[in-house]
Amino acid sequence: DQQVKQNSPSLSVQEGRISILNCDYTNSMFDYFLWYKKYPAEGPTFLISISSIKDKNEDGRFTVFLNKSAKHLSLHIVPSQPGDSAVYFCAASGTASKLTFGTGTRLQVTL
Amino acid sequence: TAGITQAPTSQILAAGRSMTLRCTQDMRHNAMYWYRQDLGLGLRLIHYSNTAGTTGKGEVPDGYSVSRANTDDFPLTLASAVPSQTSVYFCASSRTVQETQYFGPGTRLLVL
Repeated sequence: DQQVKQNSPSLSVQEGRISILNCDYTNSMFDYFLWYKKYPAEGPTFLISISSIKDKNEDGRFTVFLNKSAKHLSLHIVPSQPGDSAVYFCAASGTASKLTFGTGTRLQVTL
Repeated sequence: TAGITQAPTSQILAAGRSMTLRCTQDMRHNAMYWYRQDLGLGLRLIHYSNTAGTTGKGEVPDGYSVSRANTDDFPLTLASAVPSQTSVYFCASSRTVQETQYFGPGTRLLVL
């Protein structure tokens, strides 16, 4: 029972364009959502988060959008840079639940 | 700043042998976690500890045990390793269970 789903295992985007990574969840009790970035041979690093009281959170080139009615969140990276090439995990948690991770999307930013 | 350290970095282990993966954090975080990362399955929680002296089972606890004798350390033990435990293991910590988790660099384990 995958409560957090990332249906696109990979994404390729040209440098300078927008990258959009998507994530869907099924548990309506989730109220805190995060994105992590993972380079090969390193641990995941926290990127950006959003709580359910907001529908958008922005940090530099990274913006997370939350659509609670659709149980969908997305991460926008603009402009994309080659250093953004990594695996991105979305994760969600609730008051009574631990952090649950999606399966990850591998982003490749090409020159 | 050290943050979270894990040891060893990698290990090859014969099936049936035991091993302890070490994890230490210096952030005085209350909660600690062990995950395994497998291709196509993302990060799955093995065990967690909300605070020193307590532990709980995650999504995939079978074959693993943990202890939390103090705030800083959270070792993960495989009592009798099997090939299906070949994976990359990540330790993480957070100030509380509801807050952002911070990860160590991982331990790559190959069980033959």
